Amino acid sequence: DQQVKQNSPSLSVQEGRISILNCDYTNSMFDYFLWYKKYPAEGPTFLISISSIKDKNEDGRFTVFLNKSAKHLSLHIVPSQPGDSAVYFCAASSGYNNDMRFGAGTRLTVKP
Amino acid sequence: DTAVSQTPKYLVTQMGNDKSIKCEQNLGHDTMYWYKQDSKKFLKIMFSYNNKELIINETVPNRFSPKSPDKAHLNLHINSLELGDSAVYFCASSPRQGANEQFFGPGTRLTVL
Repeated sequence: DQQVKQNSPSLSVQEGRISILNCDYTNSMFDYFLWYKKYPAEGPTFLISISSIKDKNEDGRFTVFLNKSAKHLSLHIVPSQPGDSAVYFCAASSGYNNDMRFGAGTRLTVKP
Repeated sequence: DTAVSQTPKYLVTQMGNDKSIKCEQNLGHDTMYWYKQDSKKFLKIMFSYNNKELIINETVPNRFSPKSPDKAHLNLHINSLELGDSAVYFCASSPRQGANEQFFGPGTRLTVL
């Protein structure tokens, strides 16, 4: 049962343009959402997060939007840079034990 | 100064063998995790320990046994390895139970022949 879904396995964007990565979830008990970035042969690194009490969180070029009614979140990267090329994982957690569920990832390629 | 380290990085072994993967974090975190990334690239939690005590144990075969000698270490021992155990295993840590941001190690790629 995949509770967190990233339906686009890959995305290609031109440098300087906006990258939009999408994520859907099914469990309404999730109350915290995160995006992780992963380079080859490395572990995922935390990028940005959002609590369920907010609908937007911004950090520099990265903005995460949360639509609770649609159970959907998205990550916007503006402007996209070649160094942003990586696999991006959406994750969601609930409860004190922080049982985190991950999506399958979206591979972003930013072309110079 | 690696925050979360795992050894070995690569592990190739025969079916039926017993192997261990070690994980250490120097962040002073209380909580540590093991994840498995399967062939479909999903990252699935296997275990979570808080201050050396097991707090999450997903549906994992009992051939997998985590051991936490102290709160900076969480090792994963796997008995009677099977082909389906081939995957990348990630260790992670977080400051405390309930903290959302987790810090991941570089992963251990296990191949069972």
